[in-house]
Amino acid sequence: AIQLTQSPSSLSASVGDRVTITCRASQGISSTLAWYQQKPGKPPKLLIYGASSLESGVPSRFSGSGSGTDFSLTISSLQPEDFATYYCQQFNSYPPSFGQGTRLEIK
Amino acid sequence: QVQLVQSGAEVKKPGASVKVSCKASGYTFTNFDIHWVRQATGQGLEWMGWMNANSGNTGYAQKFQGRVTLTRNTSISTAYMELSSLTSEDTAVYYCARLLVYCNNKGCLKYFTHWGQGTLVTVSS
Repeated sequence: AIQLTQSPSSLSASVGDRVTITCRASQGISSTLAWYQQKPGKPPKLLIYGASSLESGVPSRFSGSGSGTDFSLTISSLQPEDFATYYCQQFNSYPPSFGQGTRLEIK
Repeated sequence: QVQLVQSGAEVKKPGASVKVSCKASGYTFTNFDIHWVRQATGQGLEWMGWMNANSGNTGYAQKFQGRVTLTRNTSISTAYMELSSLTSEDTAVYYCARLLVYCNNKGCLKYFTHWGQGTLVTVSS
């Protein structure tokens, strides 16, 4: 099974900051990576698919990049509503797997 | 609009089984696979299995093989997840999710576009 390792596990930042979260796969997964945002008590919400494609309705301050084994999610200017937990997920092969999550907190 | 509405919270005793439903609306139920993902309190997301809503074919994570059963009733656009031999380790929120498969000349992408609201299953004596 493919393992996904996110870093950092938690991050403190301020409104307006630029932040980057990384996700490393244990083997190459081409561009079959998605990013989700989850707020407490809510299901995950799709942000990015295909490593870099922005889901419809998601603000353009979110962007994704990478292919193969190394990926990143960048938020260009943090807004108050962005403080949440972020997960990467691969679907290159079964079983699909998620990273352990990155908790983004207000500094 | 696409919606997945799950059944309500459950409290079960160790050794019991639980069956969670996921009712789909806003799209043709049989055109998309339904997957199940769970999340223990304060923990990450754990994939459990999938079901082709048209054929009923299923696949399960090795961890849950023999304990989880995914079924559906196409006449009411509803998918079900039944988990047996419950222990306290199964206390979690269980989500259904709809899989979108997008293919082009570079290959196919798969991702979860819509999720149910989650069902809390508590296992306690």
